[in-house]
Amino acid sequence: GEDVEQSLFLSVREGDSSVINCTYTDSSSTYLYWYKQEPGAGLQLLTYIFSNMDMKQDQRLTVLLNKKDKHLSLRIADTQTGDSAIYFCAESRGSGNTPLVFGKGTRLSVIA
Amino acid sequence: SAVISQKPSRDICQRGTSLTIQCQVDSQVTMMFWYRQQPGQSLTLIATANQGSEATYESGFVIDKFPISRPNLTFSTLTVSNMSPEDSSIYLCSVGGGPGELFFGEGSRLTVL
Repeated sequence: GEDVEQSLFLSVREGDSSVINCTYTDSSSTYLYWYKQEPGAGLQLLTYIFSNMDMKQDQRLTVLLNKKDKHLSLRIADTQTGDSAIYFCAESRGSGNTPLVFGKGTRLSVIA
Repeated sequence: SAVISQKPSRDICQRGTSLTIQCQVDSQVTMMFWYRQQPGQSLTLIATANQGSEATYESGFVIDKFPISRPNLTFSTLTVSNMSPEDSSIYLCSVGGGPGELFFGEGSRLTVL
């Protein structure tokens, strides 16, 4: 199957780190993605990682990939109230011109 | 990154009518994808649209209900036909960029009364 699983909710205090977890089932996944969706908006590509990597860092964002366990995580350092949104994990088996399979999204709430 | 414009951004429609959603990209792309996001749900792929050929639909979606046009490499339309309240969703257009990159438009929020 091609299921992508995420926890539905996460609540953190402003300034703390957030860790959003995702598991997937397709071992042939080529790329794994994190998208952010703010209320009433479309999807913003936050970051993605190629399946032969185990870590990618981009400013406050760190992606960790454990291919053996099919586990992906997104860590947001120094979480801000503007980070409150729904975060979707997604996987692709292709090079970027293939459709994605999405998780149900994790709603991150940041408490001031 | 690709800049994707969708129209309309939102609309309220009557049951039984049809609505066409447009997706314009600022660069030529081979494939475009149409997704649906029902209220409080994740994204589900409706179809893949290649220029010059018929769209490929996912299980549960049919051409009569969701006809798609792809007249050139920068534009596509999705029509939601004979709408019912169950069609109330956000419809999103997506295109590929460089290797691994997939971008989305802002979405078209459709409410059917």
